[in-house]
Amino acid sequence: GAGVSQSPSNKVTEKGKDVELRCDPISGHTALYWYRQSLGQGLEFLIYFQGNSAPDKSGLPSDRFSAERTGGSVSTLTIQRTQQEDSAVYLCASSWGQGEYNEQFFGPGTRLTVL
Amino acid sequence: KNQVEQSPQSLIILEGKNCTLQCNYTVSPFSNLRWYKQDTGRGPVSLTIMTFSENTKSNGRYTATLDADTKQSSLHITASQLSDSASYICVVSSRGSQGNLIFGKGTKLSVKP
Repeated sequence: GAGVSQSPSNKVTEKGKDVELRCDPISGHTALYWYRQSLGQGLEFLIYFQGNSAPDKSGLPSDRFSAERTGGSVSTLTIQRTQQEDSAVYLCASSWGQGEYNEQFFGPGTRLTVL
Repeated sequence: KNQVEQSPQSLIILEGKNCTLQCNYTVSPFSNLRWYKQDTGRGPVSLTIMTFSENTKSNGRYTATLDADTKQSSLHITASQLSDSASYICVVSSRGSQGNLIFGKGTKLSVKP
């Protein structure tokens, strides 16, 4: 079956512009996570959604970052007024549930470059 | 502070050779530890998962070990192949963490012919 897909695969934008990154999780997965992978750094948790519960936004680095998940499926991560330090690979993952034993399946990521 | 440290940062080996990657963690309370393989331009893929009571877990040519007392894990790759060239990431979950993972920075492995 299809895995987690993300679009676009690459995004180049100018400083100050807004960007939207999309994630299509595996069908039936109730949990969805966003991570950021900066050059030479480990993955950094941003936000997760579980079913209809309120999302855990504790990892969002600033109020310029927001995310939504419509209909319990597709998710969009929005970065407003992008800065050069936002340049990174943004990875989405989904799992059957949010428990610590549930394997997270990752998408290929969106490489964001802010000029 | 929950942390995962990996070594070496990078490694170059010849095809057919074995290698061992190291992971030390300070995550508490510990739940499980996974090793992920991340090919260039792709998302990470889980290789193994180990809980507190497991000392070793194999997946083909990959063998992971866990010492929960010293909070150390290793990933041993046997008879390396060119396709093993990737970043290997150690990931730890804490008990009751709701799936929040703590990632190491990874070891970048290059297998040369």
